[in-house]
Amino acid sequence: DAEITQSPRHKITETGRQVTLACHQTWNHNNMFWYRQDLGHGLRLIHYSYGVQDTNKGEVSDGYSVSRSNTEDLPLTLESAASSQTSVYFCASSETQGLAGISYNEQFFGPGTRLTVL
Amino acid sequence: SQQGEEDPQALSIQEGENATMNCSYKTSINNLQWYRQNSGRGLVHLILIRSNEREKHSGRLRVTLDTSKKSSSLLITASRAADTASYFCAIANFGNEKLTFGTGTRLTIIP
Repeated sequence: DAEITQSPRHKITETGRQVTLACHQTWNHNNMFWYRQDLGHGLRLIHYSYGVQDTNKGEVSDGYSVSRSNTEDLPLTLESAASSQTSVYFCASSETQGLAGISYNEQFFGPGTRLTVL
Repeated sequence: SQQGEEDPQALSIQEGENATMNCSYKTSINNLQWYRQNSGRGLVHLILIRSNEREKHSGRLRVTLDTSKKSSSLLITASRAADTASYFCAIANFGNEKLTFGTGTRLTIIP
């Protein structure tokens, strides 16, 4: 069965370190998204990609970067981790509306990565 | 800023009762979606309603959409303990694939 996985599931790091969170999907979806979830804020979009070599900034992109070298993966990098980036991070994917009969943009989510920055 | 705002923030009901949660938004939409999140898990898509639809059903779920009031409601009938979760509405605007999520309603079903 197709799925979307994230690794690691839990990560503790120190302020100033570079951290990369992995996201891998086997749905063959064009679109991939990274969100962070914090109490009182719901899910906020960090970065997203509509295809290979395409990346876009979301609502809270400062301090984060992504790259899309293939369809399956969208790693999220924290260039220099800060305590304010302690959060739960979710990756999601969806297919593009209008392709192959797809008429809506339902997103499929990974299980999340809990990141603690000390 | 977030478009979807859920109400109430938290809801506790007895098993077997119906649960209703609401979502308000600010601009025109392509569609509105509802997701469930169990504790410690990712979000799972429940149901989608398009801007030209007024009501949709899926099992024990009923979603309504009032575009004139820019609001939607999710009704879960005959609630079960397994329905305990957080529920989020997500707004899809025309012209892009992004979703904007609200802050969620935390539903607790008391056995």
